[in-house]
Amino acid sequence: QLQLQESGPGLVKPSETLSLTCTVSGGSISSYFWSWIRQPPGEGLEWIGNIYYSGSTSYNPSLKSRVTISVHSSKKQFSLRLSSVTAADTAMYYCARDVFDWSSDGFDIWGQGTMVTVSS
Amino acid sequence: QSALTQPASVSGSPGQSITISCTGTSSDVGSYNFVSWYQQHPGKAPKLMIYDGSKRPSGVSNRFSGSKSGNTASLTIYGLQAEDEADYYCCSYAGLSTWVFGGGTKLTVL
Repeated sequence: QLQLQESGPGLVKPSETLSLTCTVSGGSISSYFWSWIRQPPGEGLEWIGNIYYSGSTSYNPSLKSRVTISVHSSKKQFSLRLSSVTAADTAMYYCARDVFDWSSDGFDIWGQGTMVTVSS
Repeated sequence: QSALTQPASVSGSPGQSITISCTGTSSDVGSYNFVSWYQQHPGKAPKLMIYDGSKRPSGVSNRFSGSKSGNTASLTIYGLQAEDEADYYCCSYAGLSTWVFGGGTKLTVL
């Protein structure tokens, strides 16, 4: 069955750029939205943004100025870049598949998550 | 775009039923039938329990039920079991290709 796996540095310095990649295995990257969702320690979930397999993107308005999501279909990967990070960006970062198609919606498959700490 | 409002905690005894509310606005929950619910056990990734407001993915127990009225969605768990103890999050499509989560509810099975 389809699985997602996040990868990237676990420690990022303040003011630098956080970069993560999600690899899709066991299925196709086509015809779905692919999202990044984060969860600060002890806090709730926050939707960061998504990308359709064709490359169109949407972002959380509160993060839009700092976020870039890209897709590499041939590698079955999509990536997150978050610039100018601060301690407030310390969180578990999840990638997830969203089945949204105007008739249905839900994040049905999640990666295990990767913890990113922002600290000097 | 503000987070959906959920109670911080709910509790119930085994066999009882509980309901978790998720209050949004006419711009998100009230406008779309795209509310989903997630169960998260400590140290684990969230798991989809309800989608499209009231549908259950394959493999999810029929003890879990979702509904919506106006700007408020609800998750009801019937016949509480110890394994249901977890954090629960609602999520809604919020228009303009954006999504918003609730703050989460900690369910304690007494």
